[in-house]
Formats: sequence, C-alpha cells, structure tokens
Amino acid sequence: DAGVTQSPTHLIKTRGQQVTLRCSPKSGHDTVSWYQQALGQGPQFIFQYYEEEERQRGNFPDRFSGHQFPNYSSELNVNALLLGDSALYLCASSRGDAAGNQPQHFGDGTRLSIL
Amino acid sequence: QKEVEQDPGPLSVPEGAIVSLNCTYSNSAFQYFMWYRQYSRKGPELLMYTYSSGNKEDGRFTAQVDKSSKYISLFIRDSQPSDSATYLCAMKETGGFKTIFGAGTRLFVKA
Repeated sequence: DAGVTQSPTHLIKTRGQQVTLRCSPKSGHDTVSWYQQALGQGPQFIFQYYEEEERQRGNFPDRFSGHQFPNYSSELNVNALLLGDSALYLCASSRGDAAGNQPQHFGDGTRLSIL
Repeated sequence: QKEVEQDPGPLSVPEGAIVSLNCTYSNSAFQYFMWYRQYSRKGPELLMYTYSSGNKEDGRFTAQVDKSSKYISLFIRDSQPSDSATYLCAMKETGGFKTIFGAGTRLFVKA
C-alpha cells in the first residue's frame, strides 16, 4: 500500500523562475494539502484541495497556486521564485469528509533550493 | 504571539528514560490535537491523533490534552535511540481544514 509520494525529491532553481511540484496521495485518500517547512520550523499550511477545488488557503501570496486532478493527485506551482522560497515542501493526504477531520499523512517532501 | 508554542530543545535523555514533550496554544477553538515524529530528511509521521480533552495511549506513547490550560503533552516511556527525532505538535479547529504546527522539539536518546 503506497503512501504519499512526491516528486522530485530535490530541485535547484534561480530567482525569478517557476517551479512545479507533484504529489500522489495515499491509496484511498482524496484530499491533498500542501505545506512549506523552513529549516528548523514546523510546516506552514499553504492550501488544501478537495474534489478538485481549493477549499482553504493559508497566508501565502498568489505566486503559490495549485491544482488537483480527477485521480486526486496534485501539483503545487510557485512563480517568480524568491530566495525565501527555499524550503522543504510537504504534501499531506487524508480521507475526505465535509468537516475535514480525518488525520493527515505526509510524504517525504521536495527540497527546493533557490540560488 | 504564535498560535502554538513548542520548546525547540534540544532535549537529551539516556536510553530508558521517560520523555515529556509539551506544547501550549492560544486558540480555544482547537479541538483536534496531533503529534508527529520527523526524522532527518523525511516527512512527518503521525504518532497520535486525539479529539478534545483527555488521554490516549498507544504502546510506549501517551498523549494528554488539557483544554482548560491550553496545554498538550506527549510522553514516551522506555525511550530508545531510535526515538531520536524532531517531535511536532499540531492542532486544528473542528470544521477547519488548516492544521497549525509547533516549531518542533529535537530529541536525542543516548545509548
């Protein structure tokens, strides 16, 4: 039973570029959330996708956008990269319910470095 | 003031010790409380998931929630070197989709 998988594992970009990160949820899960984890910090919520729609967003600028596909996989896009975007980007999946109260399971993340 | 406060440590204990990890929070609407373990270069792994106040035990791990004090704890009995990791507390409101994490406590268990 595959867990949450993310690709790529590492990525190096330069300022101003754009990046796309990918996530496949755990089998049986249909809800995907994205988090940014800076070094030495806890994960910060970016947004959550359910039924192919963004249903809540954290305090992140519009440069951060996402998408969820009919097979529940998801992409995170970041435009106009800044040095401060260097972080571990984590995807978490859960079984969907209207209240969003199911526990989340995380992938191992994509480490993004901005030069 | 952060919504969730967690001492970053590091916390160093000898093998076999009882470990106590704690978080405080300010949002009284939090109803779901979680503890995650994160090894270096890995994603967070869910250890405990509790609703409202009370205790929950799973093997060597016990989670406690005191909503009146806005204080949660994770106890690890008979700690092992393999328990060395960063422990993250996390919380969520009922009906909310955003999970708020503490900064994590680094734990070292010495053999």
